[in-house]
Amino acid sequence: GQNIDQPTEMTATEGAIVQINCTYQTSGFNGLFWYQQHAGEAPTFLSYNVLDGLEEKGRFSSFLSRSKGYSYLLLKELQMKDSASYLCALPNTGGFKTIFGAGTRLFVKA
Amino acid sequence: DAGVIQSPRHEVTEMGQEVTLRCKPISGHNSLFWYRQTMMRGLELLIYFNNNVPIDDSGMPEDRFSAKMPNASFSTLKIQPSEPRDSAVYFCASSLARGEGNTIYFGEGSWLTVV
Repeated sequence: GQNIDQPTEMTATEGAIVQINCTYQTSGFNGLFWYQQHAGEAPTFLSYNVLDGLEEKGRFSSFLSRSKGYSYLLLKELQMKDSASYLCALPNTGGFKTIFGAGTRLFVKA
Repeated sequence: DAGVIQSPRHEVTEMGQEVTLRCKPISGHNSLFWYRQTMMRGLELLIYFNNNVPIDDSGMPEDRFSAKMPNASFSTLKIQPSEPRDSAVYFCASSLARGEGNTIYFGEGSWLTVV
């Protein structure tokens, strides 16, 4: 089975850096996704990590440690539009079935 | 490219009525997923299809829920009879499953309210 744990809410200031953590347990690791979901909208893909280390994509970076069952999403130069929920997700061993964590609601304040 | 298309976007229905939600996946994708999202339970996977075949329906809450995928470009999720606790956002999503981590693309959702 799979289990995903994320903080429920975080608050950060515009222009700052925030790190959103995700810990997981899975019987067969097949990569880890991060999705962003604005209120009233569908989740959209942010990143996919299958190897250990940091992957940078503009203001967003995602880190993975498979041995620790740990990932984080790093958001730099925060903007008001970054206020959203951030969902950590795991595909199963075959890669066909993806389970989502409860998500972390990020509030960016001026 | 057209994304995943869902209809209706919003539906308000009375308890006991049948509800049918429709989905057109992204052309060329071979996996289709139905998720339900509520504040209490988050995003739950109800059922997924691979090459039009239902692979795992363990997330379907009750026999009142059923899903079909008659062809590669169309799927339905039906609730009969509907109950107020079925009120949620229902997302259809699709991906090109290749046996490794596959990015899922979501439709805009069907917002269901059962009164």
